[in-house]
Amino acid sequence: EDQVTQSPEALRLQEGESSSLNCSYTVSGLRGLFWYRQDPGKGPEFLFTLYSAGEEKEKERLKATLTKKESFLHITAPKPEDSATYLCAVQDGQNFVFGPGTRLSVLP
Amino acid sequence: DAGITQSPRHKVTETGTPVTLRCHQTENHRYMYWYRQDPGHGLRLIHYSYGVKDTDKGEVSDGYSVSRSKTEDFLLTLESATSSQTSVYFCAISEWDAEQYFGPGTRLTVT
Repeated sequence: EDQVTQSPEALRLQEGESSSLNCSYTVSGLRGLFWYRQDPGKGPEFLFTLYSAGEEKEKERLKATLTKKESFLHITAPKPEDSATYLCAVQDGQNFVFGPGTRLSVLP
Repeated sequence: DAGITQSPRHKVTETGTPVTLRCHQTENHRYMYWYRQDPGHGLRLIHYSYGVKDTDKGEVSDGYSVSRSKTEDFLLTLESATSSQTSVYFCAISEWDAEQYFGPGTRLTVT
């Protein structure tokens, strides 16, 4: 059975304090790994797709990396507007499995 | 949320009544999906569509049916609503069966 776990469940950072979020997965045939950002009361917003181990993607203060068993979302010098829940998802065939998310709070 | 709308945005209904949620897209994307999001479970796939009249089941399809008669519309029907179907429902679209773009969600309460 495909599974996705994320850690930590919640993370509080000071503005400018860099950190990483983890997504660990078990899947029989990985077609892609996705990162989304979700603000309260809104739908998830697509950030990145990673397809193979060693791949990296960057967007502003965010950088996503992928290994054979996990993915990391690195946040460099975060700002309060980066506060949100970050979701990881894997695609196995036509099935998409989401993790429970990491709730990030960035304090000014 | 650009290009994807969901209606209604909020609904309260009674146990045993049928409910239909609508997802409408203006992006002409081939793939459409229905998810539910519950605390402690994350997003779970209910049904998806890979073209007009082409649909398939997801992880949690029991008690739900879908229809897609036009590219732009994907309907989710709860045949006889139960309290366990109280949730936030999200529609998503995808052009290439990969990254998905989500609608604003529908909050459904079954009393």
